[in-house]
Amino acid sequence: AQSVTQLDSHVSVSEGTPVLLRCNYSSSYSPSLFWYVQHPNKGLQLLLKYTSAATLVKGINGFEAEFKKSETSFHLTKPSAHMSDAAEYFCVVSDLDTDKLIFGTGTRLQVFP
Amino acid sequence: SQTIHQWPATLVQPVGSPLSLECTVEGTSNPNLYWYRQAAGRGLQLLFYSVGIGQISSEVPQNLSASRPQDRQFILSSKKLLLSDSGFYLCAWSVGRVLNNEQFFGPGTRLTVL
Repeated sequence: AQSVTQLDSHVSVSEGTPVLLRCNYSSSYSPSLFWYVQHPNKGLQLLLKYTSAATLVKGINGFEAEFKKSETSFHLTKPSAHMSDAAEYFCVVSDLDTDKLIFGTGTRLQVFP
Repeated sequence: SQTIHQWPATLVQPVGSPLSLECTVEGTSNPNLYWYRQAAGRGLQLLFYSVGIGQISSEVPQNLSASRPQDRQFILSSKKLLLSDSGFYLCAWSVGRVLNNEQFFGPGTRLTVL
């Protein structure tokens, strides 16, 4: 079975400093991985996705993630945080056996001025 | 372009009352449709999904049900709400298999059961 683990439930950074949100996955085959963002009381929006092409994936709003098979990781990064980045972020893996998405428990990002 | 609508946006209901949440998708045909629930401080729990009209798969046994009366309409219902049904309900759609295809989420419905 496929699964994802988001290692931090909360991350706090100062505006202008780098962001790192960690995600490890477990999959019996080459996975497809996604990062979604959810602003308060809103739906989820796709930030980026990895589907076995380039291992470094660039997404919207300056975010990127690197697929590292040896570490089974798919960490989300951004060089410089903005106040508008404050939100909840979900790491997601596709499950081909059930044709469903498996969501992590989320990481809440706070950005301080 | 495709859009997804959910209503109502917020709902406060007493325990034991019925529920009907509606989701509609525009701009695409024969989408896969999903209902998720997000409880406070938790990730998303898949409740139901549908690959076509009248085809509903339930993920979690509970007092909720779903129906798909039209290609782009997905309804979440309950005959008698429980306190534990409170949460943020999200509808989503996709086309094709999840391998390469993202799911597009609606704005959500905040349900509070008192």
